Amino acid sequence: ETGVTQSPTHLIKTRGQQVTLRCSSQSGHNTVSWYQQALGQGPQFIFQYYREEENGRGNFPPRFSGLQFPNYSSELNVNALELDDSALYLCASSSTKQGNSGNTIYFGEGSWLTVV
Amino acid sequence: AQSVTQPDIHITVSEGASLELRCNYSYGATPYLFWYVQSPGQGLQLLLKYFSGDTLVQGIKGFEAEFKRSQSSFNLRKPSVHWSDAAEYFCAVGAPYNFNKFYFGSGTKLNVKP
Repeated sequence: ETGVTQSPTHLIKTRGQQVTLRCSSQSGHNTVSWYQQALGQGPQFIFQYYREEENGRGNFPPRFSGLQFPNYSSELNVNALELDDSALYLCASSSTKQGNSGNTIYFGEGSWLTVV
Repeated sequence: AQSVTQPDIHITVSEGASLELRCNYSYGATPYLFWYVQSPGQGLQLLLKYFSGDTLVQGIKGFEAEFKRSQSSFNLRKPSVHWSDAAEYFCAVGAPYNFNKFYFGSGTKLNVKP
């Protein structure tokens, strides 16, 4: 149990549609990142949010966007879905509190997105 | 550029045998290093991590890993594998200044024979 909760766990969308995935961070964690894990691959960094601002982005197009809320929960939005967007989307949270050496990030169990 | 290589896509070992999963990384400085395990249909569970200090780190479930700077490696080991260890294992590199941006290897799938 990591304290990171993601919803929905599974969903199916049609190509061209839009999707919103949600993540509730572990209590006290102010940083959240999103990863895409395609079948048979390792997770790929999408972007990170720190105190409600994007703080780093991987090699993903602008149709991947996000939000972080004052309670540090987060959303990942994907517009104009493509078949290749089918993947497990993982949310990870951590605290960047100074002095917290050996920061550990905690992953949620992910949201499985299938685009048909 | 940062990268992580896990050269073994699949490994099969007999229950009770020892295990070593290889991980090599490319990074400009000493990175933070992690091993995660993922069971089918599940998220990632942290096995162990290395930030500094003793290069042999102990993790959960009887796993350990050794950081070798000269070889840019962080191999995962377990002296005696249990059937419940069958899963996929991911090595990851993180930047010391960026706590959440990880680079993952492509994973090693472990099968355990009875």
